[in-house]
Amino acid sequence: EAGVTQFPSHSVIEKGQTVTLRCDPISGHDNLYWYRRVMGKEIKFLLHFVKESKQDESGMPNNRFLAERTGGTYSTLKVQPAELEDSGVYFCASSQTAPWRQGEYTGELFFGEGSRLTVL
Amino acid sequence: KNEVEQSPQNLTAQEGEFITINCSYSVGISALHWLQQHPGGGIVSLFMLSSGKKKHGRLIATINIQEKHSSLHITASHPRDSAVYICAVYSIKAAGNKLTFGGGTRVLVKP
Repeated sequence: EAGVTQFPSHSVIEKGQTVTLRCDPISGHDNLYWYRRVMGKEIKFLLHFVKESKQDESGMPNNRFLAERTGGTYSTLKVQPAELEDSGVYFCASSQTAPWRQGEYTGELFFGEGSRLTVL
Repeated sequence: KNEVEQSPQNLTAQEGEFITINCSYSVGISALHWLQQHPGGGIVSLFMLSSGKKKHGRLIATINIQEKHSSLHITASHPRDSAVYICAVYSIKAAGNKLTFGGGTRVLVKP
């Protein structure tokens, strides 16, 4: 079974350009998460989809970031226009059920290999 | 100050040595993950703990909920254990499915 796949693995763009990152979760996983690590910092949560709905987007840094998950399958994260501080590694993760439901751990979380974004 | 702190940030060991990585957190949690990332690779979940201790092969993870502290131990370390080890928690105050991460501990095991 394929794991969580992310594309591209590395993208180099100039400030002001647009980049779209894609995440294909494990088939059947309703829950999809985006995380980001910028240089020298810890990984931070961006948002959480349940199927096609945004369950929690409290970690999205600003309105230059747009995440979509049409049809509840793969997800895209678009950065437009990209700024220097957007450089980092963007991770996607998926789980069949939300990891925590009614106080019990119910779902294992699987991560992709990340998409490295370099903004020059 | 980050809600999840790891120590040390970097660790170098000789093959065969016992390694301990520490994670302290300042929030109430539902559970804690230990994750591993090899150079250039993706993130793999090693353990999910809400109490006590778990063991998988040469890896042992412990958690003390009262002291808000967890440790990851690697026994008989091997060069293939070289990776970044990351502690992450499900914070009670945050939405239940949002992980808060530590900064990671970079481990290098020399042959």
